[in-house]
Amino acid sequence: KAGVTQTPRYLIKTRGQQVTLSCSPISGHRSVSWYQQTPGQGLQFLFEYFSETQRNKGNFPGRFSGRQFSNSRSEMNVSTLELGDSALYLCASSLGSATNEKLFFGSGTQLSVL
Amino acid sequence: QQQVKQSPQSLIVQKGGISIINCAYENTAFDYFPWYQQFPGKGPALLIAIRPDVSEKKEGRFTISFNKSAKQFSLHIMDSQPGDSATYFCAASIGQAGTALIFGKGTTLSVSS
Repeated sequence: KAGVTQTPRYLIKTRGQQVTLSCSPISGHRSVSWYQQTPGQGLQFLFEYFSETQRNKGNFPGRFSGRQFSNSRSEMNVSTLELGDSALYLCASSLGSATNEKLFFGSGTQLSVL
Repeated sequence: QQQVKQSPQSLIVQKGGISIINCAYENTAFDYFPWYQQFPGKGPALLIAIRPDVSEKKEGRFTISFNKSAKQFSLHIMDSQPGDSATYFCAASIGQAGTALIFGKGTTLSVSS
């Protein structure tokens, strides 16, 4: 069974630009969550999508947004990039049918903002 | 109150030894406490998880000890191996919050052979 796939693996952008990251969940998983990982702040929850609807949201500015498609694939968008947005962005999928389910993480997209 | 405090930041253990990582929380509404393992270049992977109605859970060489009154929980890795060298994260969540895990800052474990 294929794991969670995130593309691209690496991305370099400049301040003020916008970026879109993609995540393909494990087949059959309907929930996709996004996390930001930085050396200083660690792992922080961005948002969760289930059946194309945002089900939960972390404490990030509105520049961070996402969406989910009917096939459960998800994209995350960051607009007006800032230097502090440099991070590893991780996507995790789960079945979405119960609370406290096991999350399966992808290897992440490493975003560098110059 | 939403924080999970993890210690130590780094840990060096001899092969065959016991690795112990501790976490503390404040929010008594947390009802799920997983531990994740992350290798360089990879995403975190669930190791073991516990709920507050259980004081201990063991899976192979990995054991979670949970102290509800002290609001603390810990991961014990028995017979530590070089392959266990990784970063370990404790986390906590409230069932109603879905997949919104609150992670500790992580512990980098090095097991020397």
